[in-house]
Amino acid sequence: VQLEESGPGLVKPSETLSLSCSVSGASITSASYFWSWVRQAPGKRLEWIGRIYPTSGSVNSNPSIKGRATISLDVSRNELSLKLTSVTAADTAVYYCAKTVAAAGFYYFNSWGQGTLVTVSS
Amino acid sequence: DTQMTQSPSTLSASVGDSVTITCRASQSIGTFLAWYQQKPGKAPKALIYKASILESGVPSRFSGSGSGTEFTLTISSLQPDDFATYHCQQYNTYPWTFGQGTKVDTK
Repeated sequence: VQLEESGPGLVKPSETLSLSCSVSGASITSASYFWSWVRQAPGKRLEWIGRIYPTSGSVNSNPSIKGRATISLDVSRNELSLKLTSVTAADTAVYYCAKTVAAAGFYYFNSWGQGTLVTVSS
Repeated sequence: DTQMTQSPSTLSASVGDSVTITCRASQSIGTFLAWYQQKPGKAPKALIYKASILESGVPSRFSGSGSGTEFTLTISSLQPDDFATYHCQQYNTYPWTFGQGTKVDTK
């Protein structure tokens, strides 16, 4: 399974960050997987943003994001997307999409995209 | 949230050394813990899941142990390719959380 993130590398403060993750080698609608976004700000630990389960459409998000994140699937493109509203400099990070197996005990990230750097600056 | 704390933050070692990294959880997570290796400019790579199960293709010099709140990652004979940063992650409860990372560098 290959994942590849894409999107603008520069976003202005207060605007919306929009990223896509193209998935190949697996169907984004498979009941076997969760799809997540993870980020890493410079010098900080990895931070899980949220995940979506395609079968139910259910989304779990990190409360640290304060409800600003929307994770969705584009089935026609076999893509995962992330929208993060009202961004600030604190949202500057490398953003990764990642896959987990949707089975209890296996919720670790076994496939990752290469990551995309998003800088929030005017 | 379950806080994950790794020690040490930096570890200096030589090729051939045995190294151990510790990860502590702020509450019991059973064995729902994964370890990742990350090199500069690259995505993390899964090494171990369920605290002690080696991901396919990962060399057997890597091993994990622990349960509850204390976990360890051991590299039995450090190889040149192993100089990297290592992260633990709990997936027992949402939000899934990571440790702050341990950088293994050359002594």
